[in-house]
Amino acid sequence: EPEVTQTPSHQVTQMGQEVILRCVPISNHLYFYWYRQILGQKVEFLVSFYNNEISEKSEIFDDQFSVERPDGSNFTLKIRSTKLEDSAMYFCASMKSGGADTQYFGPGTRLTVL
Amino acid sequence: SQQGEEDPQALSIQEGENATMNCSYKTSINNLQWYRQNSGRGLVHLILIRSNEREKHSGRLRVTLDTSKKSSSLLITASRAADTASYFCAHSSGTYKYIFGTGTRLKVLA
Repeated sequence: EPEVTQTPSHQVTQMGQEVILRCVPISNHLYFYWYRQILGQKVEFLVSFYNNEISEKSEIFDDQFSVERPDGSNFTLKIRSTKLEDSAMYFCASMKSGGADTQYFGPGTRLTVL
Repeated sequence: SQQGEEDPQALSIQEGENATMNCSYKTSINNLQWYRQNSGRGLVHLILIRSNEREKHSGRLRVTLDTSKKSSSLLITASRAADTASYFCAHSSGTYKYIFGTGTRLKVLA
C-alpha cells in the first residue's frame, strides 16, 4: 500500500541553523500538509499546499518557515533559523483530493534543537 | 479556538473490555477522522466519517457522529494489549486542514 515517507527520522541541530525536512507524499495525491507535535501535546496544523502554492497557513508558520515542492515527488519544509521551541515531531501528510478525503500521515521527523 | 476536545484524557482497561473515547468540536464540519498514535510514532488513520454519516464500522472499531451535539465517539471492542496507544480525532470544516483534538491515552492491561 502506498505510504507517505519522511527523512530524516531524527534531526539534531544547533539553534540558529537552517534545517530542511523532506517528505515524499503518495504519488497521485494533490494536497500536501505539514503538522507538528511538541512532545506530549496535540498535533498542530502548520501549512497546506496545493497546485504549487500555499493554500493555508497557521500562526505558527511565520517567516522562518517555508515549503517547496522542488520536483514531482518531494515536498520540503525549511526552517531558516531554528529556535529551541521548534523542537518537535514534524509530520507530513497528503490527500488525494479535496472534500471528504482521508489525510495520510508520514512517520514523522523528530527535530531536536540544542 | 477550533480545537477539538477529547475525553477521557486517559483510560485504563483490562484486555477484552470495550474502550470508548469521545471527541467534541466547536464548528460545523465536513468530516471527522480518528487516528492512532503509538508512543513517539506516526499517526495511523483508523476511520473517516463524513458529516452526513452517523455511524461507521471497521473491524473492532465503531465510530459515531452526532453533528447536532458536535461530538463523535470511537468504540474499540474486545480490546487487546496492542491497542495501547493515544487516539486522536481530527476534523475539517470548510478548508482542507484538520484540527486535532487533545487525544485520549488508552492503556490496555493484559
